[in-house]
Amino acid sequence: DQQVKQNSPSLSVQEGRISILNCDYTNSMFDYFLWYKKYPAEGPTFLISISSIKDKNEDGRFTVFLNKSAKHLSLHIVPSQPGDSAVYFCAASAFWETSGSRLTFGEGTQLTVNP
Amino acid sequence: DAGVTQSPTHLIKTRGQHVTLRCSPISGHKSVSWYQQVLGQGPQFIFQYYEKEERGRGNFPDRFSARQFPNYSSELNVNALLLGDSALYLCASSLDVGTGTYEQYFGPGTRLTVT
Repeated sequence: DQQVKQNSPSLSVQEGRISILNCDYTNSMFDYFLWYKKYPAEGPTFLISISSIKDKNEDGRFTVFLNKSAKHLSLHIVPSQPGDSAVYFCAASAFWETSGSRLTFGEGTQLTVNP
Repeated sequence: DAGVTQSPTHLIKTRGQHVTLRCSPISGHKSVSWYQQVLGQGPQFIFQYYEKEERGRGNFPDRFSARQFPNYSSELNVNALLLGDSALYLCASSLDVGTGTYEQYFGPGTRLTVT
């Protein structure tokens, strides 16, 4: 059962334009959502997060939007830069007394920003 | 400050052997989690430890075990290795376990190849 899904395996955008990465989840118990960026041969790097009590969080060029009713979140990168080319993972979490606060990841989206 | 460190970087083992992977969390972080990432998929949760106690376990067989030491470092052990255990093993540290402390910071991973 894939509780977090990223339906686009890849996305290609031009430098300077907006990149929009999407993520859907099924478990309504999730109350915190995170985005990570991963380069080959490296571990995931934390980018930005959002609590379920908010619908938007912004950090520099990165903005995450959360639509709880649709169980959907998106990451906007403006403007996109070639160095943003990486695999982006969406992750969701909640705290359960019996199982801690594990992260549940989507499959990832390969973003390519062309100069 | 040093980030999460993992050793070794790469490892080649034969089916049936045993492997131990090591992780040191960010200074001040008390929780360590382990994830397995196979090619083309997002990381899958294996274990979470906090203050030397297991707080969560993912859907992995009993061949997988872990522990956390008084200095908050951790080991992941895998017995009776199978070809399917070949993956990138990621360690992540976080300040705490519980609501409001969901951000996890990942190390570079250990690439395990089972032949």
